[in-house]
Amino acid sequence: DTGVSQDPRHKITKRGQNVTFRCDPISEHNRLYWYRQTLGQGPEFLTYFQNEAQLEKSRLLSDRFSAERPKGSFSTLEIQRTEQGDSAMYLCASSSDGQGPYFGPGTRLTVL
Amino acid sequence: AQSVAQPEDQVNVAEGNPLTVKCTYSVSGNPYLFWYVQYPNRGLQFLLKYITGDNLVKGSYGFEAEFNKSQTSFHLKKPSALVSDSALYFCAVRDTGRRALTFGSGTRLQVQP
Repeated sequence: DTGVSQDPRHKITKRGQNVTFRCDPISEHNRLYWYRQTLGQGPEFLTYFQNEAQLEKSRLLSDRFSAERPKGSFSTLEIQRTEQGDSAMYLCASSSDGQGPYFGPGTRLTVL
Repeated sequence: AQSVAQPEDQVNVAEGNPLTVKCTYSVSGNPYLFWYVQYPNRGLQFLLKYITGDNLVKGSYGFEAEFNKSQTSFHLKKPSALVSDSALYFCAVRDTGRRALTFGSGTRLQVQP
């Protein structure tokens, strides 16, 4: 499978805990995106990387959220001190010139 | 600012009939427009995109979309619907110079046998 992969697929955590998600983009894609989708809504943009540089961040990305793409390949999204409002599907996508963005299957986060 | 409107929460169509899912957009510059489909508990699947060129864009699974600059619309179409097309469809737009996509609220397509 050469699509975008995300790990884990599901995460249940207690309020106040930290969580980290991983995204592996399509190998030749230099652009990587994170989105958040809540039930019944369209995805909302969180952040965008070109190679290892984080070039766009949404105002939705509070100080508790941080994303990295240290070597321009995989990316991680960390949420600190989780709140119940963070419960959502976290989607990763990748693209290159003329291709995509293509989305991964998502990580469903439930904060109890 | 960039925005997308999908005016219909749900579209119902009989199998074999043509289908249209509507989308209108607003951007400051030239639009890049996308359609995605989402099946239950799945991620978004790319259907097609418009960057420039021909106003009629052909995509996956027999879908196509027509870009209309004067009406700022990008409606998704298929000549003959299948029951398996039943899913949630999202239109998205980004402005020139940005990479962030803004998505509509989605339209649920129900194809009846």
